[in-house]
Amino acid sequence: QKEVEQNSGPLSVPEGAIASLNCTYSDRGSQSFFWYRQYSGKSPELIMSIYSNGDKEDGRFTAQLNKASQYVSLLIRDSQPSDSATYLCAFDNFNKFYFGSGTKLNVKP
Amino acid sequence: SAVISQKPSRDICQRGTSLTIQCQVDSQVTMMFWYRQQPGQSLTLIATANQGSEATYESGFVIDKFPISRPNLTFSTLTVSNMSPEDSSIYLCSVTGQGSGANVLTFGAGSRLTVL
Repeated sequence: QKEVEQNSGPLSVPEGAIASLNCTYSDRGSQSFFWYRQYSGKSPELIMSIYSNGDKEDGRFTAQLNKASQYVSLLIRDSQPSDSATYLCAFDNFNKFYFGSGTKLNVKP
Repeated sequence: SAVISQKPSRDICQRGTSLTIQCQVDSQVTMMFWYRQQPGQSLTLIATANQGSEATYESGFVIDKFPISRPNLTFSTLTVSNMSPEDSSIYLCSVTGQGSGANVLTFGAGSRLTVL
């Protein structure tokens, strides 16, 4: 399996704060990167995809990609208790998707 | 995005038996994959289900243990053979779609297997 590294957490933030989730990957050939959210007992769902260096914003979520550093991050602004979940970083390698171990986020009211 | 139906949603199985999981998609899709998620762990790719040919397995997974079929562009099965308690896991079918969803991986609800 391809290598994707994430801090397993848990990461605890107060409601309204910014949550910052980080991921590094080993395959320099990867072109597509994804953040998935997985609630307990549910299957993963896509939050963001990012393909080029820089930032991509979608509502309260911002994905950041730095291919030279092999680093991708996810910022969640104005965190809500409903954001409490495990966040999985993934990349696409020749149409196969490999996942990190996930970071558990707890947003405290 | 594609709607994926998996069955069974859960099952309890005896050691040494085999179980087949079915995955049905509501539209034709390019790629179908099978993942395993062991308790408290992340997703591990088992194999790519290839339409009309043998599946492509990841390192550590073999056809004798996890035979896969994909007879058409909307259906696949994964069999977990000769099960042991270590096979207790959630098995997830996933697909990449057509058009705007071509590079996005979508998951079914998963099949939770418990092996006694």
